[in-house]
Amino acid sequence: AIQLTQSPASLSASVGDRVIITCRASQGIRTVLAWYQQKPGKAPKLLIYDASSLESGVPSRFSGSGSGTDFTLTISSLQPEDFATYYCQQFSTYPLTFGGGTKVEIK
Amino acid sequence: EVQLVESGGGLVQPGGSLRLSCAASGFNFSTYEMNWVRQAPGKGLEWVSYIGSSGSPIYYTDSLKGRFSVSRDNAKNSLYLQMNSLGPEDTAVYYCVRGIYYFGYWGQGTLVTVSS
Repeated sequence: AIQLTQSPASLSASVGDRVIITCRASQGIRTVLAWYQQKPGKAPKLLIYDASSLESGVPSRFSGSGSGTDFTLTISSLQPEDFATYYCQQFSTYPLTFGGGTKVEIK
Repeated sequence: EVQLVESGGGLVQPGGSLRLSCAASGFNFSTYEMNWVRQAPGKGLEWVSYIGSSGSPIYYTDSLKGRFSVSRDNAKNSLYLQMNSLGPEDTAVYYCVRGIYYFGYWGQGTLVTVSS
């Protein structure tokens, strides 16, 4: 199975900060990668698909990039509602796999 | 509005069985691929199973060892997950999820607790 390694596992940031989360795949997956945001007690919400396509309704401060094995999710200016856990997921090969998650906390 | 509503979760003893259901509405269920994703308490997301729009193909995560079986009834707009030989490691919230290349719609989840 393809392993996805996210870093960091957690980070503390302030409102207005630029935040970058990385996701590394154990083998090349082209751009078949998605990013999700999850808040406590809620289902995950799709943010980015195809590595860099913004889901409808998602604020433009979220962006994704990368291809092959290295991907990033960037939040250009962190807002109070962005404090959550973020996951990457690959759709290249079954079994589908998720990264371990990155928890973004308030500094 | 797309809605996915899971049911069937609860407390079950180790070695027991449970059948989860997902009622879909707001879209043409028979034309969409579906999945189950689970999340153990305080842990990350784990994809469990995929089923094609007509009932095939079917895929499972490697760790299940044949204990789970996914199915669907397009006439009833419903997705199912039959879970057998349950162990404490199966304790999780189980989500019904629509999609094949990205998961845009999720249910609210149903909690399965395996404990004596």
